[in-house]
Amino acid sequence: DQQVKQNSPSLSVQEGRISILNCDYTNSMFDYFLWYKKYPAEGPTFLISISSIKDKNEDGRFTVFLNKSAKHLSLHIVPSQPGDSAVYFCAASAYNYGQNFVFGPGTRLSVLP
Amino acid sequence: EPEVTQTPSHQVTQMGQEVILRCVPISNHLYFYWYRQILGQKVEFLVSFYNNEISEKSEIFDDQFSVERPDGSNFTLKIRSTKLEDSAMYFCASSEADGQGGGRELFFGEGSRLTVL
Repeated sequence: DQQVKQNSPSLSVQEGRISILNCDYTNSMFDYFLWYKKYPAEGPTFLISISSIKDKNEDGRFTVFLNKSAKHLSLHIVPSQPGDSAVYFCAASAYNYGQNFVFGPGTRLSVLP
Repeated sequence: EPEVTQTPSHQVTQMGQEVILRCVPISNHLYFYWYRQILGQKVEFLVSFYNNEISEKSEIFDDQFSVERPDGSNFTLKIRSTKLEDSAMYFCASSEADGQGGGRELFFGEGSRLTVL
């Protein structure tokens, strides 16, 4: 039951360019979305969130876009830096439908110098 | 900056033994969670805890699992009789709130790696 999908298992980007990580979901009840970065053998680090009442949220180099009609969200990192190389997870939750967060399988981002 | 801390960082145990994983959530957070990640697989929800009781649990969280907040600061996950397939990274997380207005971001600890032999 893949309620949250990240169809690209990996992505390579040149330093300084934009990284775009995509996430799709199937449950229309989801109303809160998170992006996490994870290095090997460490816990997920929270990056940015977005509520379903918004279509965009920005924090420094990170911007998340939400398209509710398409059940799609994306994380943009501009400019990409080598230290951004990690696995990125999107996660979703529904306030009235089991508030735990469901995680996608992750996308491994490699930022090449 | 406040953080979630977990101990031990790595535990090796024999199949059938009991294991307790410990977590200290961020002090003003009210909601506590355990997630796990089997090597190469996705992060999976186990259980959430609020107001001294379980608020949600997944199918993974069967009778061999239990959680407790014994002293107002620690949050523990007990696995009564470990199985080989329990080998995973176990992550504790906490959040400030669970309302529709936000504050639902989960803050994770560094994880406890459990290896069952």
